[in-house]
Amino acid sequence: AQSVTQLDSQVPVFEEAPVELRCNYSSSVSVYLFWYVQYPNQGLQLLLKYLSGSTLVESINGFEAEFNKSQTSFHLRKPSVHISDTAEYFCAVTPNAGGTSYGKLTFGQGTILTVHP
Amino acid sequence: NAGVTQTPKFRILKIGQSMTLQCTQDMNHNYMYWYRQDPGMGLKLIYYSVGAGITDKGEVPNGYNVSRSTTEDFPLRLELAAPSQTSVYFCASSYSGQGATQPQHFGDGTRLSIL
Repeated sequence: AQSVTQLDSQVPVFEEAPVELRCNYSSSVSVYLFWYVQYPNQGLQLLLKYLSGSTLVESINGFEAEFNKSQTSFHLRKPSVHISDTAEYFCAVTPNAGGTSYGKLTFGQGTILTVHP
Repeated sequence: NAGVTQTPKFRILKIGQSMTLQCTQDMNHNYMYWYRQDPGMGLKLIYYSVGAGITDKGEVPNGYNVSRSTTEDFPLRLELAAPSQTSVYFCASSYSGQGATQPQHFGDGTRLSIL
């Protein structure tokens, strides 16, 4: 079984400041890792994912996340946030099990990022 | 581009009533999922399906049923509504190729209150 812990339930920051949203996971097997974003009154959208290879992955809107196997972490960062980044962010994992996991995701509790002007 | 469509968007039920939450997708995805989202708890998997006629339980299936008669539709049924089922329900789908690596596409959710 897998578990995901997002260490901060709420993160308030000022516009143009850097931000880090922390995610730790536990699993007895190797996993794929995802960050999803949820804007108010909407469903979740994929922000970025780590499958293999380079441990640093980037999104098209300036977010990046680094997979750290030894610390079992997948923290999300952005060097300069915008008002439009205000949303709830979810870290999620699924087992790398050759397809037999059927993509079932285990989610963290979510982190609400609020960007203030 | 409709993607994943959920109906209704909002519903209030009385304890003991039943209802079906509808979900349809137009991306020809084999995998479909139902989650519930409660404040501060993230999303929990209720049921999932890997293709028409094939469904299985997720983490929190009690009080729910599903069916998958077509690739497009994956309805969620509440038989005897209880206050503990007050939640926001999300349906999602994903492409089955390359196993678990594909992103899930979510609907906008159904906000359900049981009073």
